Amino acid sequence: AQSVAQPEDQVNVAEGNPLTVKCTYSVSGNPYLFWYVQYPNRGLQFLLKYITGDNLVKGSYGFEAEFNKSQTSFHLKKPSALVSDSALYFCAVSPELDSWGKLQFGAGTQVVVTP
Amino acid sequence: GAGVSQTPSNKVTEKGKYVELRCDPISGHTALYWYRQSLGQGPEFLIYFQGTGAADDSGLPNDRFFAVRPEGSVSTLKIQRTERGDSAMYLCASMASGGNTGELFFGEGSRLTVL
Repeated sequence: AQSVAQPEDQVNVAEGNPLTVKCTYSVSGNPYLFWYVQYPNRGLQFLLKYITGDNLVKGSYGFEAEFNKSQTSFHLKKPSALVSDSALYFCAVSPELDSWGKLQFGAGTQVVVTP
Repeated sequence: GAGVSQTPSNKVTEKGKYVELRCDPISGHTALYWYRQSLGQGPEFLIYFQGTGAADDSGLPNDRFFAVRPEGSVSTLKIQRTERGDSAMYLCASMASGGNTGELFFGEGSRLTVL
């Protein structure tokens, strides 16, 4: 079985400061990892994914994530947060290489960026 | 259309009633997914269509839930004899090119409330 854990319900950061949203995973095989963001009154939006290759993955809106196999983590990062980054962030894992849309989502982390 | 469209955006019904939720995916997307999101939780996979057929319905909670996609485009999620525990946001997502690009495009969801 596979699962993801987002240990923080909420992350508070001042605008301009670095933002990190934590995610750890548990899978029986190769991990296929994703980050999605949910803005208020908007549908979930894809940010980035890790399938294979470089451990540092770059995505939309200046976000990146670092895959760490030894720590089974896939933390989302942004060097300088914006107020507009305030949203609900979900980490997700796919159990199968040929079914990347069938995702196991974490519970989500609310990011609040203050001016 | 430009994005994934879900109707109705809100549905209030009484316990025991029948409900249909509709999803119109992005034109040309062959893969379509249904998820359910309860308050404070991440989305949970329900069912996945590849074309007209249900490729994986392992997430459907019981036989009161059924989904169809007769022409390989629009999909309908059907819930019979609704229960209060069915209250949730129902999300639809589509993916291009057979489901292996990794990026799901989500609609804004249909919020179901069972009284």
